[in-house]
Amino acid sequence: DTAVSQTPKYLVTQMGNDKSIKCEQNLGHDTMYWYKQDSKKFLKIMFSYNNKELIINETVPNRFSPKSPDKAHLNLHINSLELGDSAVYFCASSPAQGRGANVLTFGAGSRLTVL
Amino acid sequence: QKEVEQDPGPLSVPEGAIVSLNCTYSNSAFQYFMWYRQYSRKGPELLMYTYSSGNKEDGRFTAQVDKSSKYISLFIRDSQPSDSATYLCAMSAGGTSYGKLTFGQGTILTVHP
Repeated sequence: DTAVSQTPKYLVTQMGNDKSIKCEQNLGHDTMYWYKQDSKKFLKIMFSYNNKELIINETVPNRFSPKSPDKAHLNLHINSLELGDSAVYFCASSPAQGRGANVLTFGAGSRLTVL
Repeated sequence: QKEVEQDPGPLSVPEGAIVSLNCTYSNSAFQYFMWYRQYSRKGPELLMYTYSSGNKEDGRFTAQVDKSSKYISLFIRDSQPSDSATYLCAMSAGGTSYGKLTFGQGTILTVHP
């Protein structure tokens, strides 16, 4: 049983389109994240949610809108896609409190290519 | 200057070698230090987690943190071909920043038989 699952694994789309990535975790964690990994392998946090509440919102363009319908799900919607959005987007989850919150379980990633 | 610097390699070693991976950082607020391993086309998985300065050992892996020098290391003893992956150091300040990890670029390691 996959602990953190993301769909789709691959997206290829044209500039200007809108796309969504879905994430679900079955670990019972309270906190979920979106991280972006660029072509040079840098992983950078975008957002985190704790029990459906936005906790961390890094300097991400407002074309990116996360949504957490419940604590087991965190989706990412991207409007008006640009070439620079091409990356691998990782969903992750962790326990909410204390040092355990640094123990992230990552999904396998969603590779977005914008043409 | 990036907050966390890590030599991207690539690093190629023979099976059985001792591997040393390192990161330096500039943010003195970092208190929690992690090493994640990422296989190709997979998500990172936590390998080692340490708090403040000192050593931690887990099987063939040893993590070292020297906060005075802002330097962390991961040693892999008796390296195996299955250790071939990208190794990412990560750090957190804790407090309201729990879960907000700052990663290094990752070092690509290949262990050849």
